[in-house]
Amino acid sequence: ETGVTQTPRHLVMGMTNKKSLKCEQHLGHNAMYWYKQSAKKPLELMFVYSLEERVENNSVPSRFSPECPNSSHLFLHLHTLQPEDSALYLCASSHALSPGGNSRSYNEQFFGPGTRLTVL
Amino acid sequence: EDQVTQSPEALRLQEGESSSLNCSYTVSGLRGLFWYRQDPGKGPEFLFTLYSAGEEKEKERLKATLTKKESFLHITAPKPEDSATYLCAVQARGATNKLIFGTGTLLAVQP
Repeated sequence: ETGVTQTPRHLVMGMTNKKSLKCEQHLGHNAMYWYKQSAKKPLELMFVYSLEERVENNSVPSRFSPECPNSSHLFLHLHTLQPEDSALYLCASSHALSPGGNSRSYNEQFFGPGTRLTVL
Repeated sequence: EDQVTQSPEALRLQEGESSSLNCSYTVSGLRGLFWYRQDPGKGPEFLFTLYSAGEEKEKERLKATLTKKESFLHITAPKPEDSATYLCAVQARGATNKLIFGTGTLLAVQP
């Protein structure tokens, strides 16, 4: 496997189900991200883990729960979702930035193929 | 507030017809501006990073340029396989790795 992989690629769930999305990166990075992509909207950052510590949480509802057990794996646990949560969920990884990182720090984020989630 | 606006929303070109996509941004201190390509049902694919005004990057038929307020993605003699959504994102100076994305330009190149 190379790059960033995500499973499953498609998921249909009811509002009372519990499911998990999985992401794995094979790029030697130490920062990982969850994004939500809805039609006609910009990619929306949900969570950032840098060096396995959550460093950003953009006021995401508690029905989304991230987990980062190590620098190569990231999960998004889902429970009691709403139909408006249907979207493409993208995982990305990059090198972690240090607070004093200069403007040419290599921070390109590389994305996985996404999980298409449909909530019925 | 950091913001990215892309135009046009959609662009239809004939094969070989060159054009440019625009990305206007406001950010509290630019660390970098990123261009991505996204095909339907796939994740964004990294294209370029630009760090300072005046910088240019090229890859095949694509050329990205940067000023203090906007970036252009120039497409020279496009081919149908260049059809995709092109996304622009900015990253502000600071401790986090956060990217602010625009809504993208959907490019269709007809043979």
